[in-house]
Amino acid sequence: AQTVTQSQPEMSVQEAETVTLSCTYDTSESDYYLFWYKQPPSRQMILVIRQEAYKQQNATENRFSVNFQKAAKSFSLKISDSQLGDAAMYFCAYSPRGNYQLIWGAGTKLIIKP
Amino acid sequence: GAVVSQHPSRVICKSGTSVKIECRSLDFQATTMFWYRQFPKQSLMLMATSNEGSKATYEQGVEKDKFLINHASLTLSTLTVTSAHPEDSSFYICSAREAGGNEKLFFGSGTQLSVL
Repeated sequence: AQTVTQSQPEMSVQEAETVTLSCTYDTSESDYYLFWYKQPPSRQMILVIRQEAYKQQNATENRFSVNFQKAAKSFSLKISDSQLGDAAMYFCAYSPRGNYQLIWGAGTKLIIKP
Repeated sequence: GAVVSQHPSRVICKSGTSVKIECRSLDFQATTMFWYRQFPKQSLMLMATSNEGSKATYEQGVEKDKFLINHASLTLSTLTVTSAHPEDSSFYICSAREAGGNEKLFFGSGTQLSVL
């Protein structure tokens, strides 16, 4: 069965510093997508970053980057220069290519300390 | 980016009544829409997948007679919670896949349902 595990229920970081959120997954597929979504207090789900499994290069979106280790089935999110607006729940998600049903991790609550 | 409009954002109803939640793709055609339920401080739980013009596929444990899903057009899917009870109180979110899209899903802003 395909699963996504986020082992950090909560993380906190000082504003302007860097934080890394962990995610591991289990699958027997070779072609798939991995996602990080942000859910702020408004509860609107926002796509932060997406990684295609067949691409070796780690995806980057401004201050957000991932460390994708396919063999280890690890997909961590690094947030640089943390800002107060980054405070939210962060969910890691997986979907096999061609199947749009996301499998979600339990989420990590990120707290930004001013 | 593509926008998915979901409404109402919040609804309070009496036990036994039915509530309809709408999910619209505003600037794209959505061949597939997904309905999720989210309990406080938990992750999203997929309830059902709806494809335009066909019956929805429900996840195990989700009562299809309780949660009626209609996807009558490429831009609209509705979830009707029939004979709602307090245990149906939850946050419901829809997402839509763009026709011919590249694995991107777009989410509605969610509906908080409270059943008294």
